[in-house]
Amino acid sequence: KAGVTQTPRYLIKTRGQQVTLSCSPISGHRSVSWYQQTPGQGLQFLFEYFSETQRNKGNFPGRFSGRQFSNSRSEMNVSTLELGDSALYLCASSAGTSKDPLHFGNGTRLTVT
Amino acid sequence: GEDVEQSLFLSVREGDSSVINCTYTDSSSTYLYWYKQEPGAGLQLLTYIFSNMDMKQDQRLTVLLNKKDKHLSLRIADTQTGDSAIYFCAETPGGYNKLIFGAGTRLAVHP
Repeated sequence: KAGVTQTPRYLIKTRGQQVTLSCSPISGHRSVSWYQQTPGQGLQFLFEYFSETQRNKGNFPGRFSGRQFSNSRSEMNVSTLELGDSALYLCASSAGTSKDPLHFGNGTRLTVT
Repeated sequence: GEDVEQSLFLSVREGDSSVINCTYTDSSSTYLYWYKQEPGAGLQLLTYIFSNMDMKQDQRLTVLLNKKDKHLSLRIADTQTGDSAIYFCAETPGGYNKLIFGAGTRLAVHP
């Protein structure tokens, strides 16, 4: 079974631009979560989607948004990029109940200059 | 509040056992997780334990849970150089896949 796939692996953007990251979950998984990893703040939860609905949200500004498609693939968008948005963005998928573990992809490394 | 604490660094000799400790705050967490992160990679699920269990063993890995003290540990037997990585402990206070992670413990294995 293929794992969680995130594209692209690396991105370089300029302040003020917007960016879209993509995540394909493990086949059969209906939940997709997004996390931000930075050296200063560590791993922080962004949001989680299940069956195309946002089910939970972390404490990030509205510039961070996401969506999930009917095939469970998910995208995350960050608008008006700031230097502090430079991070590793990790996507995780699971079957969707609280007892199903999360499986992570290798992440997208975003650099904002 | 939600908080997970781990020691930041552990150095062990190859072949010895490693014990990585973690304390968490939310007693409502149903599951507690251990993930491994190697340089340039994502998080690899190592193991997880249900909150009503005290211990779980999986090959070289042993997880101990003390729910009264909210203390979780990961023991790696016969530690190898390939085990060098950062290890994250995580709790699930809000359910629905919202994990709260510790800062990670960097494990260095030397000959």
